[in-house]
Amino acid sequence: EIVLTQSPGTLSLSPGERATLSCRASQSVSSNYLAWYQQKPGQTPRFLIYGASSRATGIPDRFSGSGSGTDFTLTISRLEPEDFAVYYCQQYASSPWTFGQGTKVEIK
Amino acid sequence: QLQLQESGPRLVKPSETLSLTCTVAGGAISSSSYYGGWIRQPPGKGLEWIGSMYYGGSTYYNPSLKSRVTMSVDTSKSQFSLKLRSVTAADTAVYYCARHYLLWYFDLWGRGTLVTVSS
Repeated sequence: EIVLTQSPGTLSLSPGERATLSCRASQSVSSNYLAWYQQKPGQTPRFLIYGASSRATGIPDRFSGSGSGTDFTLTISRLEPEDFAVYYCQQYASSPWTFGQGTKVEIK
Repeated sequence: QLQLQESGPRLVKPSETLSLTCTVAGGAISSSSYYGGWIRQPPGKGLEWIGSMYYGGSTYYNPSLKSRVTMSVDTSKSQFSLKLRSVTAADTAVYYCARHYLLWYFDLWGRGTLVTVSS
């Protein structure tokens, strides 16, 4: 099983700032089969990124993903008020499909 | 646009079976890319994949839950179902159904339903 570890646990930033979230895998994620999701309190997870760097339909370009192998990053170039949420990474290189524990982006 | 909706009892007694149904509207689930998945989220915690199923019958379960999980599909009703046996308080969670696109990522989600295990 591939274990995903996200850091930091919480990121305190102000609107307009840049957010950099990390997702590290316990073994290489083949073909960069990594996705990112956003979840706001009381809401359903929202699919953001697939293939480590491809944005899902309708996702603003301030969201970008990068990385390969075991280290992946989600960057939000300039935080908008609606971006404060919890973000999860998920690998789909091998079963069982696993999620990271999440990074909370909160308003400073 | 596909829409998914979970339904089922919100309260289950310990040792009993949790049963949920996901109804898919707005499209046929009998397509080559359609896998239905179940994910759960205990209150205040992260996401855990439970299992996924192809409309044709193939199933994929999380090894940590495999001994207690059964998934099924009814294509005539566009529904996927989940059964989780011998539940305990640790199974209290919001249960989501989702489209598990090509067994890759979960691109469409239901609203989720909170199931509480308590006597």
